[in-house]
Amino acid sequence: LAKTTQPISMDSYEGQEVNITCSHNNIATNDYITWYQQFPSQGPRFIIQGYKTKVTNEVASLFIPADRKSSTLSLPRVSLSDTAVYYCLAWGNTGFQKLVFGTGTRLLVSP
Amino acid sequence: NAGVTQTPKFQVLKTGQSMTLQCAQDMNHNSMYWYRQDPGMGLRLIYYSASEGTTDKGEVPNGYNVSRLNKREFSLRLESAAPSQTSVYFCASSDVLSNQPQHFGDGTRLSIL
Repeated sequence: LAKTTQPISMDSYEGQEVNITCSHNNIATNDYITWYQQFPSQGPRFIIQGYKTKVTNEVASLFIPADRKSSTLSLPRVSLSDTAVYYCLAWGNTGFQKLVFGTGTRLLVSP
Repeated sequence: NAGVTQTPKFQVLKTGQSMTLQCAQDMNHNSMYWYRQDPGMGLRLIYYSASEGTTDKGEVPNGYNVSRLNKREFSLRLESAAPSQTSVYFCASSDVLSNQPQHFGDGTRLSIL
């Protein structure tokens, strides 16, 4: 399981696009990249997952370069309700014991 | 669709008491996990069960035991609670063999005095 590094915090304003980058230099060939969102007093909520190139769903896009050593979560036109902690995880179906989320990125969206 | 259900939501214990946290999932997932999250920190894996009938230690297993009761249920037991185990505990499940992400419950907030 690859160790991930993210910025501790980011600030934005409503309506802006936010890009959060995660570094996972030691990612294994079979590892997927998954992003979660967590609000206070709630469990992490799945946002998006990808293996390579670009993945888009109704709430976010995930960009993964060819070397897969990093990934970028893109949140289009954020609102106040997007204020949360965002976690990046690079994982595969082996090495469960090293499944560590890290401290995440605390995103604050202001009016 | 309830997803992952954890009980209780809150609990206060005295040092030395024992307690079992319950977790159940209704998504037919083969893998289940227990995490703890301390204030301002990320989640740390306590134990996991890759499939029914198996359990293994995660990053921080000391002071805990688990039981995979059946495919749906995975319990976490504190035999002799200590103040250092004050935390929020999250249960999760996933279908790892198809590389599906984990689904989390809303947590159990545990305080040990």
